Amino acid sequence: NAGVTQTPKFRVLKTGQSMTLLCAQDMNHEYMYWYRQDPGMGLRLIHYSVGEGTTAKGEVPDGYNVSRLKKQNFLLGLESAAPSQTSVYFCASSYPAGSGYEQYFGPGTRLTVT
Amino acid sequence: LAKTTQPISMDSYEGQEVNITCSHNNIATNDYITWYQQFPSQGPRFIIQGYKTKVTNEVASLFIPADRKSSTLSLPRVSLSDTAVYYCLVGDMYNNNDMRFGAGTRLTVKP
Repeated sequence: NAGVTQTPKFRVLKTGQSMTLLCAQDMNHEYMYWYRQDPGMGLRLIHYSVGEGTTAKGEVPDGYNVSRLKKQNFLLGLESAAPSQTSVYFCASSYPAGSGYEQYFGPGTRLTVT
Repeated sequence: LAKTTQPISMDSYEGQEVNITCSHNNIATNDYITWYQQFPSQGPRFIIQGYKTKVTNEVASLFIPADRKSSTLSLPRVSLSDTAVYYCLVGDMYNNNDMRFGAGTRLTVKP
């Protein structure tokens, strides 16, 4: 049982390049989330999904797109990276609303945009 | 959304009990209170959750007064390994998609 895994762990992009971050969970969770964390700050929700085939915007969605084609995977895409997107990205998953708030987090992806 | 306010940082010594208080004055009827712990270079980890009164598990206790406008996370006999950032979150039990992590409280445990 690996929990929540994220690929890659580190990445350096040049401004304007694109990339996709992959999140996978093996706990059969319905809900999945993408957060970003900037130095000295808490996590901010980018996008989330309440089930396969559904996605919704969070607090800071601009510049990102997501897809949830399979229940166990949640992809975060950057179409044209900007230096402001330099951050650590965390994926999380949880049971549906009403089942408590325990979100299980991945180890994070450290992204640098130059 | 109920906004939360926590101290930015706290210091303690090994073996002491640490209490971190979170203020959430506009908490709603359906809101639960949840605490997470985050170590450097790791994702947050769930510690404890509650609605009212007191909740205790193997690592912490959560005290919530009757008006629910604040909550206190209590860590008994802390060790150096408890040095971390602690986040207080308040969110709707029926809509846990919009929880907001504040800056958290950076706890430093000294020998």
